[in-house]
Amino acid sequence: EVQLLESGGGFVQPGGSLRLSCGASGLTFSSFAMTWVRQAPGKGLEWVSGIRHSGTDTYYAASVKGRFTISRDNSKNTLYLQMNSLRAEDTAIYYCAKVDAITMANIDYWGQGTLVTVSS
Amino acid sequence: QIVLTQSPSASASLGASVKLTCTLSSGHSNYAIAWHQQQPEKGPRYLMKVNSDGSHTNGDGIPDRFSGSSSGAERHLTISSLQSEDEADYYCQTWGAGVVFGGGTKLTVL
Repeated sequence: EVQLLESGGGFVQPGGSLRLSCGASGLTFSSFAMTWVRQAPGKGLEWVSGIRHSGTDTYYAASVKGRFTISRDNSKNTLYLQMNSLRAEDTAIYYCAKVDAITMANIDYWGQGTLVTVSS
Repeated sequence: QIVLTQSPSASASLGASVKLTCTLSSGHSNYAIAWHQQQPEKGPRYLMKVNSDGSHTNGDGIPDRFSGSSSGAERHLTISSLQSEDEADYYCQTWGAGVVFGGGTKLTVL
């Protein structure tokens, strides 16, 4: 059974930083692309960032490009999202999700999410 | 830029069927999409992938009363024998260099 477990969310002031982690089990982690998706309170799903199975290529939404960095450690079956220069509008539940291919494609598994709150 | 358009809301009666639609923007009518369900206060769950030829593949554990189809730039999710737990938000998703979500459809089961 595929399981994705996010951690690292919390409360941070505007301009601050957080690093999210996502531990994966039940899959050959290095064979699949991964992605982060967020959901602001009362809003729909918003794609944030994605990374190829090998980590060689990364992709970002315009709203986070230059501030967020996605990475992965295939030896530890872990996905990361480094978030810098955080803004109030980054407040959301952040979901880690598995992609059903080596690069961007349909998401086929979701984590339970971790809440990030950016406020002064 | 790919855009996915969904109606904000839909409703149907308990035990009936409902068909939700996701429309791909011009020039992208051959793209496959995925459907995801988000029940109240829960995380999203993958339902299926729908190809441009109308074929679909359900995710693990998704019952057959969830099915997909295509017509031109439209991708459909049909839920038959509606149950109370089907009341949820439904999102379509596609991909290119990144990932794109539709705005979601809130389904009410009457």
